Amino acid sequence: QKEVEQDPGPLSVPEGAIVSLNCTYSNSAFQYFMWYRQYSRKGPELLMYTYSSGNKEDGRFTAQVDKSSKYISLFIRDSQPSDSATYLCAMNTKSGGSYIPTFGRGTSLIVHP
Amino acid sequence: DTEVTQTPKHLVMGMTNKKSLKCEQHMGHRAMYWYKQKAKKPPELMFVYSYEKLSINESVPSRFSPECPNSSLLNLHLHALQPEDSALYLCASSPGQNSPLHFGNGTRLTVT
Repeated sequence: QKEVEQDPGPLSVPEGAIVSLNCTYSNSAFQYFMWYRQYSRKGPELLMYTYSSGNKEDGRFTAQVDKSSKYISLFIRDSQPSDSATYLCAMNTKSGGSYIPTFGRGTSLIVHP
Repeated sequence: DTEVTQTPKHLVMGMTNKKSLKCEQHMGHRAMYWYKQKAKKPPELMFVYSYEKLSINESVPSRFSPECPNSSLLNLHLHALQPEDSALYLCASSPGQNSPLHFGNGTRLTVT
């Protein structure tokens, strides 16, 4: 079992839909949770990050963390064609004296007009 | 445009060549990272520098040699690469190690 599981998709939705992207993880030592958006041929762009369980909102994006279920989500409201990209979850764990970010494999999102 | 700048954007090199990838950030971040990303795969961690010292080497072959000349710069020296090393090489930085990473747009490397 991989430490971070993420459905690769593709997930295809109509413009204006609410999108739910999810990751599950197995290591309870993960303690810092991030979501990235990656367009084709570009580097990952940090969208949101959080340390604690609960919801965090930023514009059309809401990040949700449930540490008891080891489950994180990213919700996108009023989705736009420009949201079409790969969405990667990532989380930090401590290994030795250093923190190692571990990425999910990414979910490909397609928002069609 | 990102605040982490990588050069060159594209690089084609033969298996006997020596080349270097460069990364620069001016956000005052003290941790810098090299990642390798293959198509439709997540980034794979290669190296981490913390306060200009190498803190993590994820068992990367010696044909990849990182260097951190100062807190703003990170290099990756390449020598005798194989075609399977062709990938997108991403640099990232963060304020500290347990902080979100900020990525550059990468160098797309092709080894012929």
